[in-house]
Amino acid sequence: EAGVAQSPRYKIIEKRQSVAFWCNPISGHATLYWYQQILGQGPKLLIQFQNNGVVDDSQLPKDRFSAERLKGVDSTLKIQPAKLEDSAVYLCASSLRPRNTGELFFGEGSRLTVL
Amino acid sequence: KNEVEQSPQNLTAQEGEFITINCSYSVGISALHWLQQHPGGGIVSLFMLSSGKKKHGRLIATINIQEKHSSLHITASHPRDSAVYICAVAGGGGADGLTFGKGTHLIIQP
Repeated sequence: EAGVAQSPRYKIIEKRQSVAFWCNPISGHATLYWYQQILGQGPKLLIQFQNNGVVDDSQLPKDRFSAERLKGVDSTLKIQPAKLEDSAVYLCASSLRPRNTGELFFGEGSRLTVL
Repeated sequence: KNEVEQSPQNLTAQEGEFITINCSYSVGISALHWLQQHPGGGIVSLFMLSSGKKKHGRLIATINIQEKHSSLHITASHPRDSAVYICAVAGGGGADGLTFGKGTHLIIQP
């Protein structure tokens, strides 16, 4: 079974530039999550999708971050413009069940460095 | 909002030792996840618990719902167990998403 795919693995940009991350969840997983993990901290939920609908985006900085999940399958997370404090690993996860009651499968993450 | 506390933050032990990592939370939950993260790597789900105890190989996870506490045990620890172990809780405090602990950084020395 293929796992959660993310790209790119690494990205270095200057502040005020834009960046986009892509995630392809495990086939059949209706629930998709984007997390931000700053070095030394636990992951923080940015947005949760159920199919192509947004369930929770309360912690997404909507002035600069956006995410979409077209057709309820793969998803993109965009940051525009980037700030220094956005340097982090962006993790995508998927689950067969909603409300975090099913096993989570994480991708390898996309490490962003903002200079 | 659920507060998740893990202890210890850092743990260094010798190969073969029995390891215990603790997690406590402040509000009732629907499920608790134990996750493993290797340096530079992604996160792997180890267990999802809502009650009782689960065992997988050398790993054992327990949860006490009344005391709002969970433990992750590693028997016969090995250097390849070196990783960050993260506790995350689902539900509680009106939140739908996971609340993560800060993680326990475990190093097993040969």
